[in-house]
Amino acid sequence: RKEVEQDPGPFNVPEGATVAFNCTYSNSASQSFFWYRQDCRKEPKLLMSVYSSGNEDGRFTAQLNRASQYISLLIRDSKLSDSATYLCVVNLRYNFNKFYFGSGTKLNVKP
Amino acid sequence: EAQVTQNPRYLITVTGKKLTVTCSQNMNHEYMSWYRQDPGLGLRQIYYSMNVEVTDKGDVPEGYKVSRKEKRNFPLILESPSPNQTSLYFCASSLSGDKNIQYFGAGTRLSVL
Repeated sequence: RKEVEQDPGPFNVPEGATVAFNCTYSNSASQSFFWYRQDCRKEPKLLMSVYSSGNEDGRFTAQLNRASQYISLLIRDSKLSDSATYLCVVNLRYNFNKFYFGSGTKLNVKP
Repeated sequence: EAQVTQNPRYLITVTGKKLTVTCSQNMNHEYMSWYRQDPGLGLRQIYYSMNVEVTDKGDVPEGYKVSRKEKRNFPLILESPSPNQTSLYFCASSLSGDKNIQYFGAGTRLSVL
């Protein structure tokens, strides 16, 4: 069983749409959570960390649901430049040096 | 400019010919890590290092070696590459593991024939 699972998509949305991705994790000992963005075959870059209370950065909102073991990413007012693959990442309380990546959710924002 | 530099960016080699992919960071980060990325599987951690001379296995260490003799460098060594090691490789660094942001190199695309 994979540590982290994501819907691969693609999600095809028009500019200005609101889109949400979920990511489920299997290990209840997961400690830290992140969303990274990866443009086509380029290096991943941190989009945002996910805090227990939820957090927002401009058009992006991340939430954590420990009871159901998932994290979510909401993108409001989608831009063409948001087209990318979004990677969910977790690490574990008892070994925070090991990171587990989901296989990513692809987003295509169309004019 | 803060960066993680990997070399080479592209490499085609043959089965069994030893190779090294270098990784260097200029941010004085303690933590460094290697990942491979394959379609449908996402990034999988190969090895990581918490500091000089401290390394540990990730999820897919078979067929790879690493060393951390200096803080800034963390080379990935394939002693006898095989075709199933054809992949896109990323090096990353961060201040420490845990909650810290990982900064990634631009990637090395390796083909083993």
